[in-house]
Amino acid sequence: AQKVTQAQTEISVVEKEDVTLDCVYETRDTTYYLFWYKQPPSGELVFLIRRNSFDEQNEISGRYSWNFQKSTSSFNFTITASQVVDSAVYFCALSEARTGANNLFFGTGTRLTVIP
Amino acid sequence: DSGVTQTPKHLITATGQRVTLRCSPRSGDLSVYWYQQSLDQGLQFLIQYYNGEERAKGNILERFSAQQFPDLHSELNLSSLELGDSALYFCASSVRGDYTDTQYFGPGTRLTVL
Repeated sequence: AQKVTQAQTEISVVEKEDVTLDCVYETRDTTYYLFWYKQPPSGELVFLIRRNSFDEQNEISGRYSWNFQKSTSSFNFTITASQVVDSAVYFCALSEARTGANNLFFGTGTRLTVIP
Repeated sequence: DSGVTQTPKHLITATGQRVTLRCSPRSGDLSVYWYQQSLDQGLQFLIQYYNGEERAKGNILERFSAQQFPDLHSELNLSSLELGDSALYFCASSVRGDYTDTQYFGPGTRLTVL
């Protein structure tokens, strides 16, 4: 079973629109971390945010914000006033305490295209 | 720039061959990870090392092996290559290697098997 589901395969928005990328996770652990990574067309994976399972506070960083809701097992990512440079594939990932290690389980990614 | 370096950037080889991918972690990081990104399998964890010792194993084929050296750089060896091994291989590193750590990824090595 998929531990991380990103149901939106591709999203296109016009520049300056807001867009939300969905992430739903599944774990039996009570202790875990969630991550978002960005993969621009150049191919590298860029870390965006880390959130632990005990911290449900939403976070805002510039135009980026994240909404973590344990009740729905979701960790959604919103980009406000999107820009062309936001065009990338975005991955949500999970690490679980019970594994003892740190292998990340990635979702399948959401490809965001921002149209100028 | 994450501080993780990977060489080579691109690799083209033939089926049946063997290749070695190299990774240098960020300064101060003791743990390295290898991931494979392919169109059909997505991003998959292969293996993790911490301070020279294997810590976790994922979906790594028996034809693949890795190691972490005393200077903490790591190599991923892929042998008896098949067409399906064509993928982007990422190395990542982190400080402690436990579930709380953030992994920082290198630029990847794109392997093409012809």
